[in-house]
Amino acid sequence: QVQLVESGGGVVQPGGSLRLSCAASGITLSNYDMHWVRQAPGRGLEWVTFTRSDEIKKYYADSVKGRFIISKDNSKNTLNLQMNSLRTEDSAVYYCAKQFPFGGAFDIWGQGTIVIVSS
Amino acid sequence: EIVMTQSPATLSVSPGERATLSCRASQSVSSNLAWYQQRPGQAPRLLIYGASTRATGVPARFSGSGSGTEFTLTISSLQSEDFAVYYCQQYNNWPPWTFGQGTKVEIK
Repeated sequence: QVQLVESGGGVVQPGGSLRLSCAASGITLSNYDMHWVRQAPGRGLEWVTFTRSDEIKKYYADSVKGRFIISKDNSKNTLNLQMNSLRTEDSAVYYCAKQFPFGGAFDIWGQGTIVIVSS
Repeated sequence: EIVMTQSPATLSVSPGERATLSCRASQSVSSNLAWYQQRPGQAPRLLIYGASTRATGVPARFSGSGSGTEFTLTISSLQSEDFAVYYCQQYNNWPPWTFGQGTKVEIK
């Protein structure tokens, strides 16, 4: 059974940093394109960042470009999100999501991890 | 960036009744359109991809239709577990991958 489990969320002050992880079981992350999607309290879904399976192509939403970095740790079969220069508007539940091969919908989602940016 | 617009924002439906949700894209996304269900406190779940293909394990009462800029998700006979928020998403032109703002299906 394929499962994604996020961790690393918490409370951080504005300007601070946080590193989220998404541990995969049942699949080898190095074979798949992966995303991070976030959801602010009471709001809809917002795509954050993407990495191609081989990490050669990475994309970021304008709202996080230059501050967030997506990466994979193939030895641990995890997807990571390094978040720097955090702002209050980055407060959200962060989900990792697997994409269908060859482009497509997001077929597997983790349960999410909560990030609160507050002084 | 392709903007996805869903309507209505809230849909009040009685159990057993039919629900019809709409999603419009600001430009053509062909059939590269997905629908997700999100129950309170849970992660989104893929329901439909390719505009009309049900994901694994999704009941047959869920159906999707449309292409280009106009799409519909129909739930033929609402069950208690179907009361949730539904999002459409385009994956035709990216980045960014964009979602609609969601339609909440509530009990009438």
